[in-house]
Amino acid sequence: DTGVSQDPRHKITKRGQNVTFRCDPISEHNRLYWYRQTLGQGPEFLTYFQNEAQLEKSRLLSDRFSAERPKGSFSTLEIQRTEQGDSAMYLCASTRGTDNEQFFGPGTRLTVL
Amino acid sequence: GNSVTQMEGPVTLSEEAFLTINCTYTATGYPSLFWYVQYPGEGLQLLLKATKADDKGSNKGFEATYRKETTSFHLEKGSVQVSDSAVYFCAPRGGGADGLTFGKGTHLIIQP
Repeated sequence: DTGVSQDPRHKITKRGQNVTFRCDPISEHNRLYWYRQTLGQGPEFLTYFQNEAQLEKSRLLSDRFSAERPKGSFSTLEIQRTEQGDSAMYLCASTRGTDNEQFFGPGTRLTVL
Repeated sequence: GNSVTQMEGPVTLSEEAFLTINCTYTATGYPSLFWYVQYPGEGLQLLLKATKADDKGSNKGFEATYRKETTSFHLEKGSVQVSDSAVYFCAPRGGGADGLTFGKGTHLIIQP
């Protein structure tokens, strides 16, 4: 499968724990995006990378969130001290350019108890 | 930042009916405009796009025209099928923001 992959697909954690998600983009794509989608809403932009550089962060990305893309390939999104409000689907997308199609992964569904 | 207003759903139609899903947006400058679709149990996928004023995007019988004067990008299809049942998202990109700005989505249900 040459699409965007995300791991894990589901994560259940207790409030206050840290979690980390991984995204593997399509191999030749230099841009990688993270979005969050809550039930009944559209995805909300969190941050994006061009190669290894994090170029934009939404105000939704609080200090408890951090994202990396160390070698310009896969990316990780970490949430520290999780809260129940962090429960959502976390989506990753990648693209080769700006107006080209963003290809989305299947998402990681986070449930914070 | 950008914002999007879409028709509230669910929208329920009979097979072969004409479909319009309204989308209006606000943005700084001239964004590119996208429609994404999410079929049941699947991830988001691009349906069509338009990158400048008066462009028409089309795919799978769906069309949408970039109307700068009304800041709209309404989705239309002449004859819907049961297989078109899905959630549809309008999303501008650009105009000061690099990520996509999604609407809340319109849940479309097509009955045979």
